[in-house]
Amino acid sequence: KQEVTQIPAALSVPEGENLVLNCSFTDSAIYNLQWFRQDPGKGLTSLLLIQSSQREQTSGRLNASLDKSSGRSTLYIAASQPGDSATYLCAPSTGGFKTIFGAGTRLFVKA
Amino acid sequence: GAGVSQSPSNKVTEKGKDVELRCDPISGHTALYWYRQSLGQGLEFLIYFQGNSAPDKSGLPSDRFSAERTGGSVSTLTIQRTQQEDSAVYLCASSPHMTGTNQPQHFGDGTRLSIL
Repeated sequence: KQEVTQIPAALSVPEGENLVLNCSFTDSAIYNLQWFRQDPGKGLTSLLLIQSSQREQTSGRLNASLDKSSGRSTLYIAASQPGDSATYLCAPSTGGFKTIFGAGTRLFVKA
Repeated sequence: GAGVSQSPSNKVTEKGKDVELRCDPISGHTALYWYRQSLGQGLEFLIYFQGNSAPDKSGLPSDRFSAERTGGSVSTLTIQRTQQEDSAVYLCASSPHMTGTNQPQHFGDGTRLSIL
């Protein structure tokens, strides 16, 4: 059974800092891994999707890496802004396209 | 519409009643997912539909939960004889399907279900 752990559970940083969110998963036989953000009272927005054959994906100030063999992924956010405040969720997909979510990292960026 | 649409956005009902939650996926998306997010908890996978294949129901928590997808488009999640622990936000997502890979899932804003 896939288990996903995200560290830290919560993070508060001043605006402008670079930061790293960590995700680990127990079953390395994944098809891909997605990073999402969730704003309060809203659904999830897909940020980055890394296929199992890839090592990283970049979108703007976001960079996600995947080390499938060790069961780890990181989301790097450069030059953080108050608008980045949200909960960030890591979600690997295994056989049958079942997606398992971590509990998330709650990020607060102070102006 | 352009995105995944869920209705109702909020539902309050009495314990023991049946409820139906609706999801309209993005047009052309063949994969559809239901998740549950309880207060302070992560997202819990419930069920997955892909085209005409048999759905993956492995996440449904009990036989009071069922889901249908008619015509490969709209899906309905039904909870019978609701209990207070069913209170949660129910999220639906859809994605296109390409052989051998996943595509990003697009989420609706969810239905917030409260059982009194």
